[in-house]
Amino acid sequence: GESVGLHLPTLSVQEGDNSIINCAYSNSASDYFIWYKQESGKGPQFIIDIRSNMDKRQGQRVTVLLNKTVKHLSLQIAATQPGDSAVYFCAGTGGSYIPTFGRGTSLIVHP
Amino acid sequence: DTEVTQTPKHLVMGMTNKKSLKCEQHMGHRAMYWYKQKAKKPPELMFVYSYEKLSINESVPSRFSPECPNSSLLNLHLHALQPEDSALYLCASSQDGGRTSSYNSPLHFGNGTRLTVT
Repeated sequence: GESVGLHLPTLSVQEGDNSIINCAYSNSASDYFIWYKQESGKGPQFIIDIRSNMDKRQGQRVTVLLNKTVKHLSLQIAATQPGDSAVYFCAGTGGSYIPTFGRGTSLIVHP
Repeated sequence: DTEVTQTPKHLVMGMTNKKSLKCEQHMGHRAMYWYKQKAKKPPELMFVYSYEKLSINESVPSRFSPECPNSSLLNLHLHALQPEDSALYLCASSQDGGRTSSYNSPLHFGNGTRLTVT
């Protein structure tokens, strides 16, 4: 099965800085990755996804980078705001098409 | 607000009670999921329904019984739970998905039911 993990459990940044959240995966057959944001008391919220035929995808203030060679992806948040404070999960799918979640990174944004 | 609605938001039940969690989506999604999430942990998959049929059961104890009455509704029936079953139960849906699918699409989650078993 897929194993998806995150390098750091907690990331603290200052408001206005850029944030980078990293994620490693083990299954080289994984072909679809998703980043979710989970605020306290809420369910995970879809942020952005990327398929394995892409290296980079941009959304509003967010960019996901995929490096298949080292099986690593990252989520970059530009101009981080207090409202970005949450736990961020990466999820990957292998042959089962069911996403497996990594353990999560808690992003804390200081005003 | 999410497009996946879960009720109730909170539930406290004793170990001998029978209760049900409900989930509803009107996005026309054909796959629906139950996840369990403990504090500070990622969601763990329990069940997947694809086109109203149970396609995945991740070795969940029989005290949890899912039901999919139609493509918009998903229930989780609870009976004789243990205190360690206390968790946030999340419902999700996707346009397509499950092992019958050849297409990946993101999951849309509800805000969950916070379950406490006493």
